[in-house]
Amino acid sequence: DGGITQSPKYLFRKEGQNVTLSCEQNLNHDAMYWYRQDPGQGLRLIYYSQIVNDFQKGDIAEGYSVSREKKESFPLTVTSAQKNPTAFYLCASSPTGHSYEQYFGPGTRLTVT
Amino acid sequence: QKEVEQDPGPLSVPEGAIVSLNCTYSNSAFQYFMWYRQYSRKGPELLMYTYSSGNKEDGRFTAQVDKSSKYISLFIRDSQPSDSATYLCAMGQGGSEKLVFGKGTKLTVNP
Repeated sequence: DGGITQSPKYLFRKEGQNVTLSCEQNLNHDAMYWYRQDPGQGLRLIYYSQIVNDFQKGDIAEGYSVSREKKESFPLTVTSAQKNPTAFYLCASSPTGHSYEQYFGPGTRLTVT
Repeated sequence: QKEVEQDPGPLSVPEGAIVSLNCTYSNSAFQYFMWYRQYSRKGPELLMYTYSSGNKEDGRFTAQVDKSSKYISLFIRDSQPSDSATYLCAMGQGGSEKLVFGKGTKLTVNP
């Protein structure tokens, strides 16, 4: 079964703690993306990576960090510096040069109290 | 002016109706136009993408792009209760990995 997996589905953390969200894909896609979705807002790009060991900031990268050590994996760390971390986080991937063909994972809902 | 504008709805229609969902945009450099369907608490699912102006049909779905008016539409024929979801438009430029998403329109199809 090809696709994108994100784990866990729900995540709860206390304020001040860093938390890492997992994203794995077996579609053999080179490009991967992290988005944040808040109620009443469109998807906002946090980070993206077009190739292993390289990534770029999106529109709202402050308070987040990523790594891309393997083609299949693109974990996102929400740091304590992120002021409003509670949100629905979505990971996506696409073939190189085909950003219009992004496929999304099921998402992780993070709640920070 | 926002880059992409999409009426959030909600939109409620009876089963079998023709649904029209729309987005407007301001960036004339956009070349790719996508429609995603998102069920509640799930990730978006790519429905269709089109390049440049014109129509594209896939089953009950038709995507339409009018670049001169900076306006895109998604039509759903013979709507079904299973079409009840939030529909997101998205746009991108050639040579850029970034997409710009609309806020989504929530659609309910009543049996």
